[in-house]
Amino acid sequence: KAGVTQTPRYLIKTRGQQVTLSCSPISGHRSVSWYQQTPGQGLQFLFEYFSETQRNKGNFPGRFSGRQFSNSRSEMNVSTLELGDSALYLCASRESATNEKLFFGSGTQLSVL
Amino acid sequence: SQQGEEDPQALSIQEGENATMNCSYKTSINNLQWYRQNSGRGLVHLILIRSNEREKHSGRLRVTLDTSKKSSSLLITASRAADTASYFCATSSGNTPLVFGKGTRLSVIA
Repeated sequence: KAGVTQTPRYLIKTRGQQVTLSCSPISGHRSVSWYQQTPGQGLQFLFEYFSETQRNKGNFPGRFSGRQFSNSRSEMNVSTLELGDSALYLCASRESATNEKLFFGSGTQLSVL
Repeated sequence: SQQGEEDPQALSIQEGENATMNCSYKTSINNLQWYRQNSGRGLVHLILIRSNEREKHSGRLRVTLDTSKKSSSLLITASRAADTASYFCATSSGNTPLVFGKGTRLSVIA
């Protein structure tokens, strides 16, 4: 099976722009989670989707949003980018909402200038 | 917050030595997991230990869990240069999302 695929791998944006990141989970996995990783804050949970429904949401402003499609692929969007949004955005999938083990993609490295 | 905190933040050892990393957390958990991350890449699941387990092994990895002290340790025996990475503990409780610590950076010098 192919692993979790995130695109693009690298992204450079300027303040005020918006960005959409994409994640394709492992085939058969219905749960997708997103994390933001920065050197100062570590890994912080953004949101989790299961069967197209948002199941959990982290403590991030409304500029951060996401969705999941019927094929379990997920996108996250960040609007009105700020310098502090520069981070590695990681997507992870799991078979079901109760399966504890996460499978991570390689991430999208976002730089906001 | 039940965020785990790893100790030490960084660890440097010689190849062949053992590496021990510790994780402390704040609230009761269902399970604790350890993940590994090579620089700038995604995390890879290493091992999961449930709250009713005290010790678990997987190859050169040994994990212990002490729920009374709210702590866990990860031991990597006979370290190799390829073990150089960051190691994270993550805690799970109920239906809450997995919460990660800030990690231990391990450097294994050949």
